[in-house]
Amino acid sequence: KAGVTQTPRYLIKTRGQQVTLSCSPISGHRSVSWYQQTPGQGLQFLFEYFSETQRNKGNFPGRFSGRQFSNSRSEMNVSTLELGDSALYLCASSLKLTSTDTQYFGPGTRLTVL
Amino acid sequence: EDKVVQSPLSLVVHEGDTVTLNCSYEVTNFRSLLWYKQEKKAPTFLFMLTSSGIEKKSGRLSSILDKKELFSILNITATQTGDSAVYLCATNTGNQFYFGTGTSLTVIP
Repeated sequence: KAGVTQTPRYLIKTRGQQVTLSCSPISGHRSVSWYQQTPGQGLQFLFEYFSETQRNKGNFPGRFSGRQFSNSRSEMNVSTLELGDSALYLCASSLKLTSTDTQYFGPGTRLTVL
Repeated sequence: EDKVVQSPLSLVVHEGDTVTLNCSYEVTNFRSLLWYKQEKKAPTFLFMLTSSGIEKKSGRLSSILDKKELFSILNITATQTGDSAVYLCATNTGNQFYFGTGTSLTVIP
């Protein structure tokens, strides 16, 4: 079974631009979560999608948004990029995010904002 | 506020040593606790714990959960250089996962 894939793997943008990151979950997984990882803050939850609906959202500004398609693939968009948005963005998939689920992570997209 | 705290933040040991990593949590609607290992790539799953007092074991790694005292430990015996990584602890509330900032383990030959 193929793992979680994320594209692109690396991205360099300038302040003010916007960016879209993509995540394809493991086949059969319907829950996709997004995280931001920085050296100082660790892994911080952005949002979770299940069956094309955003079920949970972390404490990030509205510049961070996402969506999920009918095939469970998910995209994350960040508008008006700031220097502080430089981070590793990880996507994780699980069957349906229940108490016994495990999340499987993709390799991440490293975003650098100049 | 839900939170997961890991200690120590970093650890340097010699090959062959035994280490214990700690994870304490305060979350509402706790469902399970997970341990991950992260090298220079995505975190990989190690253990999921749902019941107190039942040790999970995989080779030289083992973990146990105490739901009364709200903590878990991850033990690594006879450490090897390949164990060098950041170890992450997370709790699953059924709605989302809360992660600690991790313990960075360095094993010196």
